[in-house]
Amino acid sequence: GQQVQQSPASLVLQEGENAELQCNFSTSLNSMQWFYQRPEGSLVSLFYNPSGTKQSGRLTSTTVIKERRSSLHISSSQITDSGTYLCATGGNNKLTFGQGTVLSVIP
Amino acid sequence: EAAVTQSPRNKVAVTGGKVTLSCNQTNNHNNMYWYRQDTGHGLRLIHYSYGAGSTEKGDIPDGYKASRPSQENFSLILELATPSQTSVYFCASGDPGQSSQNTLYFGAGTRLSVL
Repeated sequence: GQQVQQSPASLVLQEGENAELQCNFSTSLNSMQWFYQRPEGSLVSLFYNPSGTKQSGRLTSTTVIKERRSSLHISSSQITDSGTYLCATGGNNKLTFGQGTVLSVIP
Repeated sequence: EAAVTQSPRNKVAVTGGKVTLSCNQTNNHNNMYWYRQDTGHGLRLIHYSYGAGSTEKGDIPDGYKASRPSQENFSLILELATPSQTSVYFCASGDPGQSSQNTLYFGAGTRLSVL
């Protein structure tokens, strides 16, 4: 089945620094999505990005299908960006998730 | 904004007991999902449904049943709970035919402890 690997597993940034989170998947995808899990546990969708580049504020997602990878770039990190970032891929909304990157942004 | 409500939010059960986790969504999505989240495993799909009356096995269905009596409601049933089912459970809904975003909306999660 589909395997999704995220790196790094955890990351500590000083406020204002940038971050690049990676997601690699084993087979061709129909859907690539990024989710953010708040420290208290709730999950929200960040991007649906099966190919190309999408930007929302300080977040940019880039998916390269041929290389079976997607990245999430966070610019000018803020303390409120702390939490877990999950990528997921699959078809017909049956998603397989990576294990996530735990981001901590410190003053 | 899609609304997905899970109940209960926290549950303590005894080994061998029956546990029912409930999920309700108010946006008329066709698809609903149950995931569990454990440290080191991320989110894993247990059961899902394409509409009322349908249930499908996900990646880790053993020990779980699901029920979709209506468009709005999707339940996860543990007939004989075991300590290995201690986890955080998330319900989600989404409808790829309805939205170009093709995303999932998650409930707040249920923390289940089986003693």
